[in-house]
Amino acid sequence: SQQGEEDPQALSIQEGENATMNCSYKTSINNLQWYRQNSGRGLVHLILIRSNEREKHSGRLRVTLDTSKKSSSLLITASRAADTASYFCATARAGGTSYGKLTFGQGTILTVHP
Amino acid sequence: EAGVAQSPRYKIIEKRQSVAFWCNPISGHATLYWYQQILGQGPKLLIQFQNNGVVDDSQLPKDRFSAERLKGVDSTLKIQPAKLEDSAVYLCASSRVGQGAPLGNIQYFGAGTRLSVL
Repeated sequence: SQQGEEDPQALSIQEGENATMNCSYKTSINNLQWYRQNSGRGLVHLILIRSNEREKHSGRLRVTLDTSKKSSSLLITASRAADTASYFCATARAGGTSYGKLTFGQGTILTVHP
Repeated sequence: EAGVAQSPRYKIIEKRQSVAFWCNPISGHATLYWYQQILGQGPKLLIQFQNNGVVDDSQLPKDRFSAERLKGVDSTLKIQPAKLEDSAVYLCASSRVGQGAPLGNIQYFGAGTRLSVL
């Protein structure tokens, strides 16, 4: 079953604008990760935020986590045409026996127009 | 370091035929995952290996799907017989030992095998 629900399902912006994607999840987590998938390719890890962290930055990426609302957001600043891809959030459930297992959301399709 | 290798990249078969996919993880990665990704959806975990032991296969349709990871390195995923609804991209990923590893459970993905069942 899919743990994460992402919105919007699709996002279309112009180069230079910021893109914000949201992810909600259902169970307690150890960490939450964001991945990017270019068309016809595998997923690439972008950033990991642990359950005791509230915000994390990596280059043009900013991730926030609100464990009380069970939600996260990914902000891409000053977007480029090369950022065009699908973006997935993935959660690592707290505790349990599925060591390292991630549950992925449905994804947000981002299109950045030159 | 070399990435996760998968083959073939594409496969077209007729329903009721069998098919096999191969994955070679990143050297030293103890954990290997097989995912099924249907068009427009996120990856769904089919099976997870820790070295050559199965950790989680709760979503693997065991009547038709099988997977093995001999010697704790390469892995194969087999479908026999295939159904139309098996059309999807099959992704292999690997990671260092789960919780407690320096980078947690970041997963590294191969390019996938796109399966079309006609």
